[in-house]
Amino acid sequence: NFMLTQSHSVSASPGKTVAISCTRSGGSIASNYVQWFQQRPGSSPTTVIYDDNQRPSGVPDRFSGSIDSSSNSASLTISGLKTEDEADYYCLSFDSTTWVFGGGTKVTVL
Amino acid sequence: QVQVVESGGGVVQPGGSLRLSCATSGFTFRSYGMHWVRQAPGKGLEWVAFIRSDGSFKYYAESVKGRFTISRDNSKSTLYLQLDSLTTGDTATYYCANFILVAIRDLDCWGRGTLVTVSS
Repeated sequence: NFMLTQSHSVSASPGKTVAISCTRSGGSIASNYVQWFQQRPGSSPTTVIYDDNQRPSGVPDRFSGSIDSSSNSASLTISGLKTEDEADYYCLSFDSTTWVFGGGTKVTVL
Repeated sequence: QVQVVESGGGVVQPGGSLRLSCATSGFTFRSYGMHWVRQAPGKGLEWVAFIRSDGSFKYYAESVKGRFTISRDNSKSTLYLQLDSLTTGDTATYYCANFILVAIRDLDCWGRGTLVTVSS
């Protein structure tokens, strides 16, 4: 099995850029796609990135995803931060018969 | 438009059982594998179980293996989760979800969840 580790929280002012990391332990980050979910308080999760770096329509291009094999991690970057981006963000990946979520990162807009 | 509605949650004593249901519409349910995901109060998301589109393969998180059973009725476009031998650690909101529909049809697929509380 494997684990996905996320930083606990990140904060920034409106208009700034934040990056959230998701580090895989046990297996290669490139072996299976990474998906990112946004969850606002009291709401269900919604997808902001799928297949490592693809955005659903309706998700602004301020959101971008990438993977870095050298650090075995995935990243979600939010540029031009807005108050509406304040939420918890989770990464997800899988390995044959198991799906794993990262522990979540709380993004606070100051 | 995808609709996913979970039901069947409630308060149950430790050692008890519950059966959760997830009614879906707006996509070809029989063509897709489906997941259950849970979230304990104030905690993160935890993957619970997956069932293949035809029900032939089922996978479980270690934390629920042997106690929970996922199933589906493609004629009713409905997913189920049987929860047995419940413990207080199973207290959570349980979501029904599909993770790949967004890639294939640009449609997110999560319900609003149903709350299971295990308490004496």
